[in-house]
Amino acid sequence: SQQGEEDPQALSIQEGENATMNCSYKTSINNLQWYRQNSGRGLVHLILIRSNEREKHSGRLRVTLDTSKKSSSLLITASRAADTASYFCATDGVEYGNKLVFGAGTILRVKS
Amino acid sequence: DTGVSQDPRHKITKRGQNVTFRCDPISEHNRLYWYRQTLGQGPEFLTYFQNEAQLEKSRLLSDRFSAERPKGSFSTLEIQRTEQGDSAMYLCASSQAGTGNSGNTIYFGEGSWLTVV
Repeated sequence: SQQGEEDPQALSIQEGENATMNCSYKTSINNLQWYRQNSGRGLVHLILIRSNEREKHSGRLRVTLDTSKKSSSLLITASRAADTASYFCATDGVEYGNKLVFGAGTILRVKS
Repeated sequence: DTGVSQDPRHKITKRGQNVTFRCDPISEHNRLYWYRQTLGQGPEFLTYFQNEAQLEKSRLLSDRFSAERPKGSFSTLEIQRTEQGDSAMYLCASSQAGTGNSGNTIYFGEGSWLTVV
């Protein structure tokens, strides 16, 4: 079963623009993590945000978490062609135990 | 390289054959996970270990699938009598278990692609 759903399913932007991806989930969580996956490769961890946190930054990445709306967003600023990838959110929580449950991802294409 | 490593990276097998994948987690990590991912989908949980104990198995893990982590270090995932529907990427991940809401980052390997023909 999928806990998270990313929106949009696909996003195409020009290099230098900002990209925003959203994730909604269904049950209470402990943590939410964002991952990047290049085509045919494994998942690269980007950022973890705890349920008691509202915002985190890492380089050009900004993640927000709104537990009242059960949603999170990932903002990539000043995008580069190398940011082209699929982005997934994943959550862990009481209902799902210690494992991560993933959504279907957002495919981001950054055009140079 | 101190990340999660998986072997082989690619495997093509005939239907009905058995295949085995190996995962070496990050050395100090006590939790190890197996996921499966098909094209256009997010990873789906299969099973996880804490040390050598297999603590949870998904319903996706039919009786043709078996996973082991005999000494609490590396793990193997074996698929017996493979079917075409088993074609997917099998991802291994590891983490260091914390307590409560400590936020355990889970690190993934590059995956093992399986094609059943």
